[in-house]
Amino acid sequence: GENVEQHPSTLSVQEGDSAVIKCTYSDSASNYFPWYKQELGKRPQLIIDIRSNVGEKKDQRIAVTLNKTAKHFSLHITETQPEDSAVYFCAASPFYNQGGKLIFGQGTELSVKP
Amino acid sequence: KAGVTQTPRYLIKTRGQQVTLSCSPISGHRSVSWYQQTPGQGLQFLFEYFSETQRNKGNFPGRFSGRQFSNSRSEMNVSTLELGDSALYLCASSLGQDTGELFFGEGSRLTVL
Repeated sequence: GENVEQHPSTLSVQEGDSAVIKCTYSDSASNYFPWYKQELGKRPQLIIDIRSNVGEKKDQRIAVTLNKTAKHFSLHITETQPEDSAVYFCAASPFYNQGGKLIFGQGTELSVKP
Repeated sequence: KAGVTQTPRYLIKTRGQQVTLSCSPISGHRSVSWYQQTPGQGLQFLFEYFSETQRNKGNFPGRFSGRQFSNSRSEMNVSTLELGDSALYLCASSLGQDTGELFFGEGSRLTVL
């Protein structure tokens, strides 16, 4: 069945360092890959997404890369700040006609130490 | 623009009871999805409704059901509650044309005793 594996489950970095979270998906039909950030006690919010026709996408300090051949995609956060501390979820979905169905990874708890 | 609203925010039930959760999507959004969030299993897809029709369904038992009304508001129902149903139930809305950003509500936290 559809599955998304996410690593690591926890990640601790010093402020200013970079953080990388990696995900692997099983369904070769997947072609939409969003990342959600969930702060403690808050709702998940989209921070960046990438579609299968693009290999990399950047938004300020955040970037996502996609390797469709290997079925891998990664989130890169540079110059981390304490407010980046949260749980990050990767997800995958077929792009067309699947609407709100996302298969999420298990989440990565990122802690940025001042 | 109002966000996604879920009610009730917290509820406590006992085993064997049933529960109904409500979700009001962002105005203009036609898709409503439901997710179960637990510490051990993460975010798991329950089902999605689009224009009052169930478009997708996850791997949950038949005790979990839902529906969508003509104004796009959605409800989910869990019958014969089990201890393992204790979780945060998140509703998310989207425009619904194809996969795009999901806007989540704050969730309904269900505790089954």
